[in-house]
Amino acid sequence: QLQVQESGPGLVKPSETLSLTCNVSGASISSSDYYWAWIRQPPGKGLEWIGSVYYRGNKYSNPSLRSRGTISVDTSKNQFFLRLTSVTAADTAVYYCATHPRQMATITAWGQGTLVTVSS
Amino acid sequence: EIVMVQSPATLSVSPGERATLSCRASQSISSNLAWYQHKPGQAPRLLIYGAFTRAAGIPARFSGSGSGTEFTLTISSLQSEDFAVYYCQQYSNWPPLTFGGGTKVEIK
Repeated sequence: QLQVQESGPGLVKPSETLSLTCNVSGASISSSDYYWAWIRQPPGKGLEWIGSVYYRGNKYSNPSLRSRGTISVDTSKNQFFLRLTSVTAADTAVYYCATHPRQMATITAWGQGTLVTVSS
Repeated sequence: EIVMVQSPATLSVSPGERATLSCRASQSISSNLAWYQHKPGQAPRLLIYGAFTRAAGIPARFSGSGSGTEFTLTISSLQSEDFAVYYCQQYSNWPPLTFGGGTKVEIK
């Protein structure tokens, strides 16, 4: 069964870079069947898609992030990553790594989520 | 960007009653709509895709309908474990993938 799990620091200072890792188990990140995604939920708000990446390098990001977000893949470690630069308090959220099939972008597996707080 | 709007924001329902949740898209998305259930401290769970197809393991009391811009999630007889926040999401035209703001189903 495909599973994903996030990890990373829970506290990031304003203007710095948020970096998260997602470990994938139960499937190869090099599979042609899946996109690997990041989604976040600010406190008291709804879900926001950050972006998705395909193992071949195809990347799609939410324009609302104004190019601050980068998603990448390490096939040797079966992991994918999120880097979000120049963070502010508005980036405080629970961050989920997730996956969706290549042919239908419904989120079929989610991590448990990790809270990242932006504060000095 | 396709904007998804859910209503109502909060729905108060007694156990055993029927709950009807709505989701509207800012433009036609055909049947490219999913519904998720989200409980506090847990990962969201896919309930419905293709507007009306239940995901694996989802009880038959959950049903989806609609196409184009208007969609409905119906829970026929609410169980205690169904009290949660429900989100719709379109995947017709992306990026970006977009979610509705959610409907909280609470105990009346």
